[in-house]
Amino acid sequence: GQSLEQPSEVTAVEGAIVQINCTYQTSGFYGLSWYQQHDGGAPTFLSYNGLDGLEETGRFSSFLSRSDSYGYLLLQELQMKDSASYFCAVRDGDDKIIFGKGTRLHILP
Amino acid sequence: GAVVSQHPSRVICKSGTSVKIECRSLDFQATTMFWYRQFPKQSLMLMATSNEGSKATYEQGVEKDKFLINHASLTLSTLTVTSAHPEDSSFYICSARVQGRSTEAFFGQGTRLTVV
Repeated sequence: GQSLEQPSEVTAVEGAIVQINCTYQTSGFYGLSWYQQHDGGAPTFLSYNGLDGLEETGRFSSFLSRSDSYGYLLLQELQMKDSASYFCAVRDGDDKIIFGKGTRLHILP
Repeated sequence: GAVVSQHPSRVICKSGTSVKIECRSLDFQATTMFWYRQFPKQSLMLMATSNEGSKATYEQGVEKDKFLINHASLTLSTLTVTSAHPEDSSFYICSARVQGRSTEAFFGQGTRLTVV
């Protein structure tokens, strides 16, 4: 079956760095993506990794290791507006995007 | 970026009635759209894949006669919740991918459905 595992909640301090991990088990794999969702809103795309390694986009970076079926999202210089839920997602062999359960990020001032 | 518009954003309906939710790609053509359902503080669960000009593909456990999907054009997909029950109350979100940019999904604003 398809499964993506990520922590349910993470707490960090404003200005700090936080890493959200994701492990996956899917039938087919065409890349790992990360989405941000604020309460009541729709998910917005943050990053994508198709190959192993680190992708950097401003304060956000994402990493993938296909051999380990593992990736992470790294958020630097945390701001209060980063408080949200973060979902890892895999595009599987049927070309569907399957989401993890989401990690709720709490940021303390 | 690509824009997906979903309407309505909120709807309250009585038990037993039907509700139609529209999902439009505004500046691109979407041969495939996806419908998700999200309960509070939970993940997005894929309900079905909507294919332009053909029948939708439903995920296991999703009642195709209850959640009718129509993808009549390259820019419009609709989800109709038929004979709604209170347990159908949820956040429904559509998404589409731009051809050639299939690594990124664009989401509609979502529809908060409350069945009373």
